[in-house]
Amino acid sequence: DAGITQSPRHKVTETGTPVTLRCHQTENHRYMYWYRQDPGHGLRLIHYSYGVKDTDKGEVSDGYSVSRSKTEDFLLTLESATSSQTSVYFCAIHGGSHNEQFFGPGTRLTVL
Amino acid sequence: GENVEQHPSTLSVQEGDSAVIKCTYSDSASNYFPWYKQELGKRPQLIIDIRSNVGEKKDQRIAVTLNKTAKHFSLHITETQPEDSAVYFCAASIGSGGSNYKLTFGKGTLLTVNP
Repeated sequence: DAGITQSPRHKVTETGTPVTLRCHQTENHRYMYWYRQDPGHGLRLIHYSYGVKDTDKGEVSDGYSVSRSKTEDFLLTLESATSSQTSVYFCAIHGGSHNEQFFGPGTRLTVL
Repeated sequence: GENVEQHPSTLSVQEGDSAVIKCTYSDSASNYFPWYKQELGKRPQLIIDIRSNVGEKKDQRIAVTLNKTAKHFSLHITETQPEDSAVYFCAASIGSGGSNYKLTFGKGTLLTVNP
């Protein structure tokens, strides 16, 4: 599984509350990504990181921020959760045996 | 930026038949094209990929073809089995490092293989 975990795996929260999702990897990969997956939209890139403290926006970054203070952890924060951010969030790393993007197990977030 | 279109959105076949899923991309600089399979409730998993220096790649019952001139690539599954039932995603990127490891995904194809 390329040593990638996500926490929490499930979360229910209320509109307006801040939420932080964590992606943790154990194999020192440089590149890490956050995607959201919604029916009819496939996987869309939110933010990505190409090193410690080096991050950039993806195609659906509004309402999200990220931080990477150490190689192994990439945090995704919803500053003030909205119902439109109800989704499944996948973290990914670039690496693996085929030099591909390898996905974490996902976090299902519900914003009421 | 890159735009990837994927067709069809749903595909139903009989066990043993072949299945073909097609994708087109917009950025002629894209040079890496992976395909992912996602079973219900699971993470997407890479099943095959192709780089722009080859036109076709095969791995047992699955194959991918690439036409760089037309900017399209296809996934072919032969002798389909019920366990092939899943959502399949194509993607494209300029796989040369830095920010160019970003993948742009198609919207997915739900493949159902009927016994």
